[in-house]
Amino acid sequence: QVLLVQSGAEVKKTGASVKISCKASGYTFINYYLHWVRQAPGQGFEWVGIVNPRGGSTSNSLKLQGRVTMTRDTSTTTVYMELSSLRSDDTAVYYCARSGSVDEGIVGAYMSFQSWGQGTLVSVSS
Amino acid sequence: QSVLTQPPSVSGAPGQRVTISCTGSSSNIGAGYDVQWYQQLPGTAPKVIIYDNNNRPSGVPDRFSGSKSGTSASLAITGLQAEDEADYFCQSYDGSLSGPVVFGGGTKLTVL
Repeated sequence: QVLLVQSGAEVKKTGASVKISCKASGYTFINYYLHWVRQAPGQGFEWVGIVNPRGGSTSNSLKLQGRVTMTRDTSTTTVYMELSSLRSDDTAVYYCARSGSVDEGIVGAYMSFQSWGQGTLVSVSS
Repeated sequence: QSVLTQPPSVSGAPGQRVTISCTGSSSNIGAGYDVQWYQQLPGTAPKVIIYDNNNRPSGVPDRFSGSKSGTSASLAITGLQAEDEADYFCQSYDGSLSGPVVFGGGTKLTVL
């Protein structure tokens, strides 16, 4: 079955960077888009960005432009999300989630999130 | 401030029917983009319960149904059960600068 396993919780100071991982298994890694989504404490969800595992292209939210970097490693079927210049309002649980097939282009990119990782808590304080 | 608007909470007694609304705009739901619904139990990752407006993944009871009209969508849950108590989120695609993926703020369902 599809399994997305994320790295453990992180505690960071404001201004630092954090890099979290999401290892995929149970399917052909390069065939499905992966997204990062975050949820601040007691809040709703916010989309962070998308990775095309086949070619490595990415796109992220305008709000996080310039601070977020998403990469993938096809040899380990893992995607990474690095967030720099951390602020207190970056404190959230970060999830990776799989959407549709890369072969379906933008339709597949923005289909529903059928599988989710368990989440990684990133806590930022001064 | 979420792009899609949901009521913060709804409640119902076991066996009753409840609905959760999700109101968007002309750049998302009103533009014809599909709506997804997720259930999030406390301390767990979300699970999709309705995709593409009104489709249930296998394993989701038919007590859950979705609909969409104009700039809004709704999730209906019939025959409420204690295990349905959770947070529910809607999600859609948005063609404006707010997008491309937008969520509702979530609705806490309490089973009385």
